[in-house]
Amino acid sequence: DTAVSQTPKYLVTQMGNDKSIKCEQNLGHDTMYWYKQDSKKFLKIMFSYNNKELIINETVPNRFSPKSPDKAHLNLHINSLELGDSAVYFCASSHPHETSDYEQYFGPGTRLTVT
Amino acid sequence: DQQVKQNSPSLSVQEGRISILNCDYTNSMFDYFLWYKKYPAEGPTFLISISSIKDKNEDGRFTVFLNKSAKHLSLHIVPSQPGDSAVYFCAASAVSNFGNEKLTFGTGTRLTIIP
Repeated sequence: DTAVSQTPKYLVTQMGNDKSIKCEQNLGHDTMYWYKQDSKKFLKIMFSYNNKELIINETVPNRFSPKSPDKAHLNLHINSLELGDSAVYFCASSHPHETSDYEQYFGPGTRLTVT
Repeated sequence: DQQVKQNSPSLSVQEGRISILNCDYTNSMFDYFLWYKKYPAEGPTFLISISSIKDKNEDGRFTVFLNKSAKHLSLHIVPSQPGDSAVYFCAASAVSNFGNEKLTFGTGTRLTIIP
């Protein structure tokens, strides 16, 4: 009964490949996010979707394309992977209509290693 | 341009004593502040938060203090317990260009509680 789940947990791939990371939340939240935590431990937002609509799109290479088939899922597809894409990617969700709407619930993370 | 800074990458505290984690921010538009706790190989979990209209919020052993004039907040944990050993992230919320709240995270402080 995991609240926010991500697959896979670990992903090792070669430069130039295309890969996807999946995220699902069973909290009934309207908003989902993708964060990247790099080697310097900065946790930075990449994208946010509200009810399948893109609402935050930070300065991220267009090789990264989020897709939200429904409000419980937000997947991240990465084309032409580069060494600098190696990081831990966290999915999160929140419910902006609750009083504690600032709280975001995070998944366990996907450690992506590009060789 | 790091708008949320945690200048102490690590902190060691004796069990039973008080742990004080600090966070500074530069953006005066931040209206809500949160602390997250992260264990290895897990996603961050929400700990406690404070609105910018308050200067203190308490929840059990955890208290967050906000000094708006100094743009500084701190997290106090008392008494510290071994299970508190984790990385603590400070986060601040402001309305994004898209009109919804966006979190900006600090780089984290690794707290180690010494038995």
